[in-house]
Amino acid sequence: QKEVEQNSGPLSVPEGAIASLNCTYSDRGSQSFFWYRQYSGKSPELIMSIYSNGDKEDGRFTAQLNKASQYVSLLIRDSQPSDSATYLCAVKNTGNQFYFGTGTSLTVIP
Amino acid sequence: DTEVTQTPKHLVMGMTNKKSLKCEQHMGHRAMYWYKQKAKKPPELMFVYSYEKLSINESVPSRFSPECPNSSLLNLHLHALQPEDSALYLCASRFGAPLAGEYNEQFFGPGTRLTVL
Repeated sequence: QKEVEQNSGPLSVPEGAIASLNCTYSDRGSQSFFWYRQYSGKSPELIMSIYSNGDKEDGRFTAQLNKASQYVSLLIRDSQPSDSATYLCAVKNTGNQFYFGTGTSLTVIP
Repeated sequence: DTEVTQTPKHLVMGMTNKKSLKCEQHMGHRAMYWYKQKAKKPPELMFVYSYEKLSINESVPSRFSPECPNSSLLNLHLHALQPEDSALYLCASRFGAPLAGEYNEQFFGPGTRLTVL
C-alpha cells in the first residue's frame, strides 16, 4: 500500500479557472502535510504547509486537511499559465521522514 | 532566508571516477537530506542526517557515501557509479527539532544533474 497517493493527471484547466489537486495518505499518525510545485528540470518548491484540520489560505492557494478522511487537497484559484507544473503532496510522520506522492501534472491553458 | 545551495549544478562522470556533491545551508537547520529523482518520478529518499548523525539510510548502494562535516554542510561522495545512477540529486533541510508547525518545513536546494557515462 502506497503511503501517499495522488491522481497523476494530467490535469488541464483553462486560465482563470480553479484547479483542484487531491492527495490521500495511509498513516493516521501523520502530523504535517505539504504541497510542493516542481517545474520541469527544477527542484521542488514548497508552496503550502498545513498541520490542523480545515483550510489554510495563502494568496491564490488554499490547502485543505481532513485528518479523519486522511485527505489533503490544494486549490489554485484564478489559475495562470505559470502555474503549469507538477504538484507533489508530501506527508511527514513523527520522525524525520517525508513521504511523497507521485505528483499531479497541471497544465493551465491560456 | 530559506536557501539551500548545491554544487555543482551539473556533473558528468565516468564509471571509474570519484566525485563529490556538496550541499550547504545557513538557516540553522539540523536535519539534512539527500534525495535522488528520476524524470517524472517523485524524490526518492537516500539519506537523512539529524544533528550531524546519520539517522536514515534507505539501503543505498555503497557507491554512494554521505558525509556531514558540520551542521551547515552535507556531502555525497560518489565512486564507481553506474549509468542508471544518472538523475537529479537533491539536498534538503529542515529545523529538525521536535517542534510542530512550520519548523517541519523542508526546503530543497536546486539540485545537481548527474550524468554517468
